Amino acid sequence: DAKTTQPTSMDCAEGRAANLPCNHSTISGNEYVYWYRQIHSQGPQYIIHGLKNNETNEMASLIITEDRKSSTLILPHATLRDTAVYYCIVRSSSNTGKLIFGQGTTLQVKP
Amino acid sequence: KAGVTQTPRYLIKTRGQQVTLSCSPISGHRSVSWYQQTPGQGLQFLFEYFSETQRNKGNFPGRFSGRQFSNSRSEMNVSTLELGDSALYLCASSFFGTSNNEQFFGPGTRLTVL
Repeated sequence: DAKTTQPTSMDCAEGRAANLPCNHSTISGNEYVYWYRQIHSQGPQYIIHGLKNNETNEMASLIITEDRKSSTLILPHATLRDTAVYYCIVRSSSNTGKLIFGQGTTLQVKP
Repeated sequence: KAGVTQTPRYLIKTRGQQVTLSCSPISGHRSVSWYQQTPGQGLQFLFEYFSETQRNKGNFPGRFSGRQFSNSRSEMNVSTLELGDSALYLCASSFFGTSNNEQFFGPGTRLTVL
């Protein structure tokens, strides 16, 4: 599974969009990009995933660059409850049932 | 639709004892994965079960084992507990465990080894 690189921490003002970047320059063609978040001591929460195209759901949008070497998770209107550690994960088809978590980005949403 | 449930939520054991943790996946999900989370090592994959068979395994000693039942419920067992086994143990379920299937996590079991 390709390695991901994320900033250690980010701040965002409440009500503004939070844009969380992720670099995955060694991603292979059949590997998916996943985003999870974890609020202190709770189980990780699935946010969104994608392969090539941009994706949107009720929680967030995922923008994947055309060369697929990086992606951005967008929380359109951040609230205080979005304060969490956000994990970008690249997942290959050969590693069934396995997510490889890095250190993630700690997002602090401030009033 | 009920989420992933884990029991017990909290557990205190002493060194040398063994422990069994339980995970009930989302209805219809056949893949169950287990993870260990510690402050020092972060979230690490233990193993995955699908159709009662261990299909994938992380780099943990043989003291960590698991099984899955025909109704997809899973248990993990840790024998001869060590202080370093104190952690949050998380299970996650998905339909097939493949790369296009999102995993949904339970709340975890907090194990403290004294």
